[in-house]
Amino acid sequence: GAVVSQHPSWVICKSGTSVKIECRSLDFQATTMFWYRQFPKQSLMLMATSNEGSKATYEQGVEKDKFLINHASLTLSTLTVTSAHPEDSSFYICSARPGTGALEQYFGPGTRLTVT
Amino acid sequence: GENVEQHPSTLSVQEGDSAVIKCTYSDSASNYFPWYKQELGKRPQLIIDIRSNVGEKKDQRIAVTLNKTAKHFSLHITETQPEDSAVYFCAASIDFGNEKLTFGTGTRLTIIP
Repeated sequence: GAVVSQHPSWVICKSGTSVKIECRSLDFQATTMFWYRQFPKQSLMLMATSNEGSKATYEQGVEKDKFLINHASLTLSTLTVTSAHPEDSSFYICSARPGTGALEQYFGPGTRLTVT
Repeated sequence: GENVEQHPSTLSVQEGDSAVIKCTYSDSASNYFPWYKQELGKRPQLIIDIRSNVGEKKDQRIAVTLNKTAKHFSLHITETQPEDSAVYFCAASIDFGNEKLTFGTGTRLTIIP
């Protein structure tokens, strides 16, 4: 149980284009999902908290107009990187909590984004 | 906000020996402390967690201890095996609001056969 999937697993795009990453909870409903960014050999940095049916909460320094988050259902959250630049190249990972009251977070397999 | 420090950044131990990774946190309101294992290019996997009403928790070769007064918690791996080689992250969160995790900087553990 508690399986989280992400799609795509990797993507290459050109500067100026937008990329959408999907995060799905496969066997549970997730009212809250989290989006992280991880640079090589570094820790996970929380970008935003995604709540089903409401606006995402962004961490300080994260541009909400550049990283659009939509949590349209209890099993799906999407992250859209708009007008991507090479410095946006990174490993993006989502996580989900299996229901209210649960503290554990289960992570997706991550999406490696390369912007050329 | 919460700040989590983790030591050491790298750790090499002989197969069969024990490994200990330590973390400290800054916010005394934090009350949930998970540990994640991440292999290269893969997702972080929850290996053990502890809540602040418990001082120690054990699961086979893995144990976590928590000292609320000193605001530090540790991961103990006994009888280490080559497959324990990975990066380990500690984290802390507060049990209200959106329960976001603040991660430590990670420890790269290498088990020497």
